[in-house]
Amino acid sequence: QLQLQESGPGLVKPSETLSLTCNVSGDSLKTSSNYWGWIRQTPEKGLEWIGSIYSGGRTSYNPSLKSRAIMSVDTAKNQLSLQVNSVTATDTAVYFCAKVYGSGTYNMRIDGPWGQGILVTVSS
Amino acid sequence: DIRMTQSPSSLSASIGDTVIITCRASQSISSYLHWYQQKPGQAPKLLVYGVGSLQSGVPSRFSGHGSGKEFTLTIRNLQPEDFGVYYCQQSYSIPALTFGGGTKVEIK
Repeated sequence: QLQLQESGPGLVKPSETLSLTCNVSGDSLKTSSNYWGWIRQTPEKGLEWIGSIYSGGRTSYNPSLKSRAIMSVDTAKNQLSLQVNSVTATDTAVYFCAKVYGSGTYNMRIDGPWGQGILVTVSS
Repeated sequence: DIRMTQSPSSLSASIGDTVIITCRASQSISSYLHWYQQKPGQAPKLLVYGVGSLQSGVPSRFSGHGSGKEFTLTIRNLQPEDFGVYYCQQSYSIPALTFGGGTKVEIK
């Protein structure tokens, strides 16, 4: 059964780098043909798409993050990673990782499963 | 970015009612529209994709319609487990996927 779980620090200082990992179980990222996505959610802005990554490492980012986001795959640990650089208070959000269907196509959707989400607060 | 606007922002309905949620796009998105349900403390869950196709396991009381700029999600015979927040999402403008602001469904 495919399961995802986010982890990382819950508090990050302004101007620093937010770093999260998403542990994937039930699928091997070394051989998977799946796409994976990162999404964040705030009460103010709602759900925001960050980007997607193929198990082979190919990435696609939402331009709204203005190149501050970097996604990667660690096949040895079977983990996905997300870094967001130069964070501000507006990056405070619950961050989710999830399986994505049809990345890069008009049929792109988040068909899941999703992780449970991790709250990251940006504050000094 | 394509702006997705949902209405109403919240509603309260009784068991057995029919509920209709509307999602409007700021420009035509053809049929590239999907719906999610989110319950408190949980991640969203895909309900409907491509306007009207039900994700596996989703009850047939859910249905989606529309094209172009206006779309609806209908829940017929509302059940207690249908409470939550419903979101639409467009996949016409990739990689800039965008979501609606959500519609909170409460059971009377």
